[in-house]
Order: sequence, then structure tokens, then C-alpha cells
Amino acid sequence: EAGVTQSPTHLIKTRGQQVTLRCSPISGHTSVYWYQQALGLGLQFLLWYDEGEERNRGNFPPRFSGRQFPNYSSELNVNALELEDSALYLCASSSGTSGTTDTQYFGPGTRLTVL
Amino acid sequence: TQLLEQSPQFLSIQEGENLTVYCNSSSVFSSLQWYRQEPGEGPVLLVTVVTGGEVKKLKRLTFQFGDARKDSSLHITAAQPGDTGLYLCAGVQNTGNQFYFGTGTSLTVIP
Repeated sequence: EAGVTQSPTHLIKTRGQQVTLRCSPISGHTSVYWYQQALGLGLQFLLWYDEGEERNRGNFPPRFSGRQFPNYSSELNVNALELEDSALYLCASSSGTSGTTDTQYFGPGTRLTVL
Repeated sequence: TQLLEQSPQFLSIQEGENLTVYCNSSSVFSSLQWYRQEPGEGPVLLVTVVTGGEVKKLKRLTFQFGDARKDSSLHITAAQPGDTGLYLCAGVQNTGNQFYFGTGTSLTVIP
């Protein structure tokens, strides 16, 4: 069974540009989560999508947005990039059905560098 | 405010030593997961604990969920260089599928 996949692997952008990151969940999973991980730090929750709807978002400005498609894949968009947006962006998926015992499975991440 | 606090934040030990990593909160969680993350990769799930007081063993790793389901610990026996990585705990609350991640513990095992 294929795991969570993310693209691209690495990305270099300049300040002010826009970027789109993509994530494909494990087959059968309906929930997708996005996290930002700055170098050496813990995971900061960005967004949670389930069944095509945004369920929750973390404490990030509106220039961070996303969507989930009917096939449950997801995009994360970041507008007006700033230097501090440089980080590893991780996508995770879960079945969304087990409630309290649900588990997230992570993709390898997209390393974004903003110059 | 971080819902889950991990300690220590950094740990550097010699091969063969034992260690314990703690994950604490004032909130109750329905389940808790432990992940290990290597540089440049996504976190990999190690274990999920669900029942208060539950103890799970994975080879040299022992995971415990506190009786009140507010805290957890990860104990590694006879650490090896391959155990090096960032250890993260994550909890799920009754209110839904919102996952809360801990602050992380960076472990280095020196050969």
C-alpha cells in the first residue's frame, strides 16, 4: 500500500512569490493535515481537511490556505512568501473514522526555502 | 501555549545507556502516539496508546500512558546510534480528530 506522497520534494522561492504544495493521502483516508516544521523545531499545525471541508486551522495568517479535492488529495498555498516561511511542510493523512483512536501517517515533506 | 510539553528537549547519551523521554499535559487525551523523525524526513509512527495505564513494548522501547491519560513516557533500553532522531508525542482529544503535537525531544546516541 502506497504511503502519503508529497510534491515537490524541494522548492526554492524568493520573497513575495507564491507557492503551491501538493499531498496525496493513503488510499481510503479522508482526512489530510498540514504542518509546518521550522529547522530543528516541533510541528506547528496549519490546516485540517476532511471530506473536502476545512475542519480547523492553526494560528497562521490568511496567506496560508489550502483545499481538498474530491479524491481527497490536498493543496497548500502560501502567498506573499516571507523569509520565515522557510521550513519543512509536512502532510499527514488519517482515516478520519476512528475518532479517538485515529492515527496520522506522514509524508516525507516538502522543503521550502525562501530567499 | 503548547498543550503537550516534552522533556528533555535535547538528550545526548553514550551507546548502551538507558533513557526516558516524558510527554506531559494538564489536558486529558483519548489516545496518544509517539513518532520518530529523522532529518529531512517525515515522522514515522512508533506506537499508539489508548487505555490509561497501558504499557506497550516495541523491542527496546517501552511506552506508557498515564493512568489519568494526561501524560506518557518513552523508555529506551541500551540505546543504539540508530535510535538517534527527534521523538514526538501527539495526543487526540475526545472533541474530535484534532491532533496536538509535543515540543519534541532530540536524541543523539554517540557510538
